[in-house]
Amino acid sequence: EPEVTQTPSHQVTQMGQEVILRCVPISNHLYFYWYRQILGQKVEFLVSFYNNEISEKSEIFDDQFSVERPDGSNFTLKIRSTKLEDSAMYFCASNQQPNYGYTFGSGTRLTVV
Amino acid sequence: AQSVTQLGSHVSVSEGALVLLRCNYSSSVPPYLFWYVQYPNQGLQLLLKYTTGATLVKGINGFEAEFKKSETSFHLTKPSAHMSDAAEYFCAVSDQSSYKLIFGSGTRLLVRP
Repeated sequence: EPEVTQTPSHQVTQMGQEVILRCVPISNHLYFYWYRQILGQKVEFLVSFYNNEISEKSEIFDDQFSVERPDGSNFTLKIRSTKLEDSAMYFCASNQQPNYGYTFGSGTRLTVV
Repeated sequence: AQSVTQLGSHVSVSEGALVLLRCNYSSSVPPYLFWYVQYPNQGLQLLLKYTTGATLVKGINGFEAEFKKSETSFHLTKPSAHMSDAAEYFCAVSDQSSYKLIFGSGTRLLVRP
């Protein structure tokens, strides 16, 4: 069964550093998303991306965050200057159409120290 | 604004017993509803979804859920729990105008031998 692949599975970074989380969505999917889950809290929407532009973003997705689809397969989330409160599990997801049911990746656990 | 409430952060059942995980939503428009399961250290896997049509939805691993508009509920059930069902379960809602999912806070299902 097709999968959404995320790398790395774990990332530790120092506060203030830039991190890039990488995702390879399912090849024929058109819509891409990032969500995050702070330990013990809800899964929260960050951003959706379609046709090479952001479709929707949450209040969490401030100027420190950016997304990119640099080629035909990768979808990245960049955090420009990490803060302690950015520590969370970050999930990438994709689907063919909105509300079609997402396929989520296994996540990247980001720890900011 | 849409929201999801999952009653019970932890539910414990005996193996072979009925599983009932509760989900209530608020939405001003007909919602799309989803249940996801998260096994330890893994991503979110779609169990089932309701978009339109039949209100009783069958999913993977023997789970099903019924959309009850009058009760604004989408409870998840399984007739007979198996040890492998132990996981965290998330209810989520979206609408036709938004690409994003709004998640509940999750219910951790424990299955006793």
